Amino acid sequence: DTAVSQTPKYLVTQMGNDKSIKCEQNLGHDTMYWYKQDSKKFLKIMFSYNNKELIINETVPNRFSPKSPDKAHLNLHINSLELGDSAVYFCASSPGGFNQPQHFGDGTRLSIL
Amino acid sequence: SQQGEEDPQALSIQEGENATMNCSYKTSINNLQWYRQNSGRGLVHLILIRSNEREKHSGRLRVTLDTSKKSSSLLITASRAADTASYFCATALGGTSYGKLTFGQGTILTVHP
Repeated sequence: DTAVSQTPKYLVTQMGNDKSIKCEQNLGHDTMYWYKQDSKKFLKIMFSYNNKELIINETVPNRFSPKSPDKAHLNLHINSLELGDSAVYFCASSPGGFNQPQHFGDGTRLSIL
Repeated sequence: SQQGEEDPQALSIQEGENATMNCSYKTSINNLQWYRQNSGRGLVHLILIRSNEREKHSGRLRVTLDTSKKSSSLLITASRAADTASYFCATALGGTSYGKLTFGQGTILTVHP
């Protein structure tokens, strides 16, 4: 029944490792997003896909690579993890356009040791 | 740079009291949205107000928008302990922004039983 689901919920790993976070939505939405929320709760958009096409690509290190195999899925792969990557990563979806609310998953808490 | 700034950063009230949170932004917008985030959870959309609207209601929530002052307020009436959460405003620019939302840093609301 979960509308936007992310896995894993927690991710603890060493610096330098590569990790992936998966996101799936069952709302039939066309647009999906990745956000990063830092320790001060500041939420910033990273990427957005509309029907598998990348439409928003903020200034994010190229160690971060999103991938959308279909419009219901948006994954985030991170290479060579750094201490500063520690944060909560949220996936969201919306029907598309700028007049629509976004539906968020419960986040993936990434901790780099 | 951050589009939305919220005031106060933290608010502590008793159950039954009203809670008012303010949000200021810097550029012209298409719409402004309010979200709630419970501890350890994702954001939940509360209300969307378009730039040509001045006030909107949803249950115990009342949102106002003053585009001349570039500010918005969220009023929660007759607050309950379950309203304890962080509240964020987010602005959407419209046009080719593809639904990009820019979030404020949020107001932490604590409602004491």
